Amino acid sequence: DIQMTQSPPSLSASLGDKVTITCQASQNINKYIAWYQQKPGKAPRLLIRYTSTLESGTPSRFSGSGSGRDYSFSISNVESEDIASYYCLQYVNLPYTFGAGTKLELK
Amino acid sequence: QVQLKETGPGLVQPTQTLSITCTVSGFSLTSYYMQWVRQTPGKGLEWMGFIRSGGSTEYNSEFKSRLSISRDTSKNQVFLKMNSLKTEDTGVYYCARDPLPIYWGQGVMVTVSS
Repeated sequence: DIQMTQSPPSLSASLGDKVTITCQASQNINKYIAWYQQKPGKAPRLLIRYTSTLESGTPSRFSGSGSGRDYSFSISNVESEDIASYYCLQYVNLPYTFGAGTKLELK
Repeated sequence: QVQLKETGPGLVQPTQTLSITCTVSGFSLTSYYMQWVRQTPGKGLEWMGFIRSGGSTEYNSEFKSRLSISRDTSKNQVFLKMNSLKTEDTGVYYCARDPLPIYWGQGVMVTVSS
């Protein structure tokens, strides 16, 4: 199974900050990484697929990049509605595997 | 519009079998993959398995020996059955549509406890 190492586990930011989360795969995942946002009591919401393709409705302040084993997800100009947990998911191989998550909090 | 809703028992005793139903609307099960993802305090989000639009299944080997996914296309329902439950199986169980989960149900909380 492909392991996804996500960091940091938590992040504290002020409104307007830029934050970055990283995921490292245990092997090359050929850009098949997605990023999800999850708010308490809700299902995950897909924000980005295939490294950098924004889903319909995802604000442009969200972005993704990377290749090979190393990927990053950024939020520029953090807004209050962005306070949530974020997860990466590799979907190149079965079983799909998620990162452990990053909890974004307000400073 | 696309809707998914899980229904399940809430509380299950250890060693017993968990059965959850995902009822969908707004699309046909014969056109889309449906999968199950769970979220537990111990392991976070875990992909459990899916049933393809054609009806074949794939499972995470973590669960393979005790997990079964099936469907009734006439009732627009997908089923998860997992036996030999342990306390570590406590968590929220989600059904989701598409090979890359896009549409999700609200989830159903399952507690495994005696």
